[in-house]
Amino acid sequence: QKEVEQDPGPLSVPEGAIVSLNCTYSNSAFQYFMWYRQYSRKGPELLMYTYSSGNKEDGRFTAQVDKSSKYISLFIRDSQPSDSATYLCAMSEGNAGNMLTFGGGTRLMVKP
Amino acid sequence: KAGVTQTPRYLIKTRGQQVTLSCSPISGHRSVSWYQQTPGQGLQFLFEYFSETQRNKGNFPGRFSGRQFSNSRSEMNVSTLELGDSALYLCASSWGDTQYFGPGTRLTVL
Repeated sequence: QKEVEQDPGPLSVPEGAIVSLNCTYSNSAFQYFMWYRQYSRKGPELLMYTYSSGNKEDGRFTAQVDKSSKYISLFIRDSQPSDSATYLCAMSEGNAGNMLTFGGGTRLMVKP
Repeated sequence: KAGVTQTPRYLIKTRGQQVTLSCSPISGHRSVSWYQQTPGQGLQFLFEYFSETQRNKGNFPGRFSGRQFSNSRSEMNVSTLELGDSALYLCASSWGDTQYFGPGTRLTVL
């Protein structure tokens, strides 16, 4: 079993829909949680960064972390065709060193 | 600020050869990490350098090595290339716990 699990999709939604992306993890030492967006043939782009449990909002994006359930989510409101990409969750223990453990990514398609 | 730059962007090599990839981090960032991305395994951590010292290492064979220079630029080297080394190699520079990725070097091994 992988340390971080993420449904690969693809997830297809109509433009304007609310999108929910999720990851589960097994390592209780993870303290820092990130969401990256990756377009085809590009490097991952940092979308959201949260520490420990709670919610964080940035524009159309909301990240939620529930450490008790080892579950994190990313919500995208008013989804746009330009949001079509692969979304990767990533986590780290936050000790000295920056090793990120990634989920496999969810491919999202937003149809006009 | 300029982002993370990686050179070259594309490489084609044959089995048995060696390859060196280069990464220039964001100005002021002292930590550089390297990742391998493949369709089957996803993104996997290779190693991290901070102030010219390897601080973390992932579970890759010794054919994969790296170094960091005093200006924080980093290189990674893969010796004796195998077909399975074909991948997108990503470099990330860090400020604190936040990592910013470059566009990657796509390596094809024939």
